[in-house]
Amino acid sequence: DAGVTQSPTHLIKTRGQQVTLRCSPKSGHDTVSWYQQALGQGPQFIFQYYEEEERQRGNFPDRFSGHQFPNYSSELNVNALLLGDSALYLCASSLLLDSSGNTIYFGEGSWLTVV
Amino acid sequence: AQTVTQSQPEMSVQEAETVTLSCTYDTSENNYYLFWYKQPPSRQMILVIRQEAYKQQNATENRFSVNFQKAAKSFSLKISDSQLGDTAMYFCAFITYATGNTPLVFGKGTRLSVIA
Repeated sequence: DAGVTQSPTHLIKTRGQQVTLRCSPKSGHDTVSWYQQALGQGPQFIFQYYEEEERQRGNFPDRFSGHQFPNYSSELNVNALLLGDSALYLCASSLLLDSSGNTIYFGEGSWLTVV
Repeated sequence: AQTVTQSQPEMSVQEAETVTLSCTYDTSENNYYLFWYKQPPSRQMILVIRQEAYKQQNATENRFSVNFQKAAKSFSLKISDSQLGDTAMYFCAFITYATGNTPLVFGKGTRLSVIA
């Protein structure tokens, strides 16, 4: 059973460009959450998707947008990249009905460097 | 505001010794779960241990145990018989379940080095 898979693993972008990161949740999971982890910091919640809709959102600008597909996979899009967007982007999948956190699984992340 | 504070940016411990990582948190909710995650250089967050706030008994998982003090909002992790493979970043986190599947709130982490 594959866990959470993310792509690409690493990428380098130039300021002002746009980037798309992808996430496939663990089999059977219906909810995908995205986190940004800057170097030396803990992960910060960006947003969460369930049934193809954004369910919750953290304190991130509208440059950060997402999408969830019918197969529960998800994309994170960042427009007009800034140097400060350089970070590890983590995807976590879970079951919405599980409020205990017992089903939360993380992917290995996508390292984004903005130059 | 919901916050997690880990006051030890870095710690080291000799192999086979015991180390305790500190964590305090703040939430106005009464129902929540607390977690310790390990993040090795491979970057994947791995769940170490989980505590239900309504349970007074401290959780244990093999060499890992917690000291949960709800009134003080303190949640420390004790690692016994430390092994070289325990070297990693450790993050304290919690979720509340007032409205279902809420996002995790993380601390800034503690970098643990186990020395041979």
